[in-house]
Amino acid sequence: ILNVEQSPQSLHVQEGDSTNFTCSFPSSNFYALHWYRWETAKSPEALFVMTLNGDEKKKGRISATLNTKEGYSYLYIKGSQPEDSATYLCINSGYALNFGKGTSLLVTP
Amino acid sequence: DAGVIQSPRHEVTEMGQEVTLRCKPISGHDYLFWYRQTMMRGLELLIYFNNNVPIDDSGMPEDRFSAKMPNASFSTLKIQPSEPRDSAVYFCASSQMGGQGVGEQYFGPGTRLTVT
Repeated sequence: ILNVEQSPQSLHVQEGDSTNFTCSFPSSNFYALHWYRWETAKSPEALFVMTLNGDEKKKGRISATLNTKEGYSYLYIKGSQPEDSATYLCINSGYALNFGKGTSLLVTP
Repeated sequence: DAGVIQSPRHEVTEMGQEVTLRCKPISGHDYLFWYRQTMMRGLELLIYFNNNVPIDDSGMPEDRFSAKMPNASFSTLKIQPSEPRDSAVYFCASSQMGGQGVGEQYFGPGTRLTVT
């Protein structure tokens, strides 16, 4: 089920840095893209659902873009804070489900 | 709705014992997912069901793990026999089919399993 690729696998940034990571999927097999934020031992938080090419969504300091033609989505975090440390998971969610393995972000003070 | 309900919230057991984790999805949801989260392995999707039927169990680590969904309102994840490396937080989630495929997943609070 893992034909969704996320990169990098892990990321370590300093507080205040802006960062971004990628979710890639087959452009011929796109349904809807979900981003989740998952802190260790806590229930995941749904961030965005994107369906249309060119979609841009924003939630506070976190934003995401979608390019269905080339098969990728970017997640951006502006001015990272330690509380942003989590795993960010993307899922290509249609009639079948295709999961990335997540990008693990660590933000240190 | 009370959301996704998982029980127990915490389980401590000895190696070799059988462990059963339970999940009640949100009423009306037709997808159910089991995930595991550990510091060493990160996040893993174990199995998911659609209309009570297992769709993909390729994430189930080995034969000691089994999952069932006897009806739309209940699922179990069983580990027999349990081992210390099974210690993790196990999450259950449910969702439903929407206009653009499977919709947002709603997660339970998780079961923290410790195998000594």
